[in-house]
Amino acid sequence: AQSVTQPDIHITVSEGASLELRCNYSYGATPYLFWYVQSPGQGLQLLLKYFSGDTLVQGIKGFEAEFKRSQSSFNLRKPSVHWSDAAEYFCAVGGGTSYGKLTFGQGTILTVHP
Amino acid sequence: EAEVAQSPRYKITEKSQAVAFWCDPISGHATLYWYRQILGQGPELLVQFQDESVVDDSQLPKDRFSAERLKGVDSTLKIQPAELGDSAMYLCASSLARGSFTGELFFGEGSRLTVL
Repeated sequence: AQSVTQPDIHITVSEGASLELRCNYSYGATPYLFWYVQSPGQGLQLLLKYFSGDTLVQGIKGFEAEFKRSQSSFNLRKPSVHWSDAAEYFCAVGGGTSYGKLTFGQGTILTVHP
Repeated sequence: EAEVAQSPRYKITEKSQAVAFWCDPISGHATLYWYRQILGQGPELLVQFQDESVVDDSQLPKDRFSAERLKGVDSTLKIQPAELGDSAMYLCASSLARGSFTGELFFGEGSRLTVL
């Protein structure tokens, strides 16, 4: 069974500081990995995805993530956080045989201090 | 920009009542998903359609939940009777995928259900 763990429920950073959100996954085959962002009361928006190839992937809004197979991790990073990045972030895993089923982590709430 | 439409955005009901949610996916998207998101948790898949067929409803509580996508376009998720534990955000998503996973799911803004 596939699963995702996001160890940090809540992270607070200052505007302009760097950010790293952790994600560990469990999947029996080559995983497809995703980061989604959710603003309060809204649906989810895709930030970036990894299918294959370069293990460092770039996404929207200046985010990037690195796939590390040996650590079963897919951590999200941003070099300089903006106040508008405050939201909840979800890591998700899926695969080619699951007809698009995504399994989500429990989410990390990001608070940005001015 | 095309969006996934959901209604109603908010629904308050009393337990034992029936409730229904509607979703209209992005035009041309073959696959439609209903996810449930309990406050403080990540979304959990309830049911997945490819065109009008259910391909995964393993997590759908079938004694009270039902879902249909009769013409392979829009979809309805019904709960009858509603229970207190059903209070959650119900998210609909769609994707182009047909037969194999190709990538991004597009989510609607969700329907927030409160059961009193």
